[in-house]
Amino acid sequence: DQQVKQNSPSLSVQEGRISILNCDYTNSMFDYFLWYKKYPAEGPTFLISISSIKDKNEDGRFTVFLNKSAKHLSLHIVPSQPGDSAVYFCAASSTRGNEKLTFGTGTRLTIIP
Amino acid sequence: EADIYQTPRYLVIGTGKKITLECSQTMGHDKMYWYQQDPGMELHLIHYSYGVNSTEKGDLSSESTVSRIRTEHFPLTLESARPSHTSQYLCASSEAGQGLAGELFFGEGSRLTVL
Repeated sequence: DQQVKQNSPSLSVQEGRISILNCDYTNSMFDYFLWYKKYPAEGPTFLISISSIKDKNEDGRFTVFLNKSAKHLSLHIVPSQPGDSAVYFCAASSTRGNEKLTFGTGTRLTIIP
Repeated sequence: EADIYQTPRYLVIGTGKKITLECSQTMGHDKMYWYQQDPGMELHLIHYSYGVNSTEKGDLSSESTVSRIRTEHFPLTLESARPSHTSQYLCASSEAGQGLAGELFFGEGSRLTVL
């Protein structure tokens, strides 16, 4: 049973436009969410996170939005740059649980120059 | 920049061989993790440790074993490799005591192929 779902395996976006990556979760105990970025042949790197007490967190070109009622979060990248081409993983955890992260299957983002 | 290292990066071995994937971190983190990932799939937690002499099985059953004798070192061992063990293995660490799963620092991964 997949508790964190990224339903789009891939996404292509023109350079300079906005990239929107989506993530849905089913476990209502999740209250902390993270996005990781992964280049080929490298380990994932942390990008941005959001706690369930917020509905938005912004860091430079990256903004994460959380809709708790819909159990949905999204990552916005604007403007998109060629270096943003990577696989993006959504992850979630419960601070009242065992603190382990549950990952989605990832979305491959390709930025077209 | 994260200081967590995995060796080997790539390994091709025959069935039945014993292998150890090494993972070391220089950040003094108490929490360390092993994830397994197949292409196009999510990362599955197979082992974790909250400190020296602490090891736990993760969410995905694995025939591998781990040890944590030193804070900085968290090796993973397969006693008898099989083709079904072919995968990428990712080691990660994080600071303890945050009360959150928090940010994981990942190594570059070890891609294992068992023939």
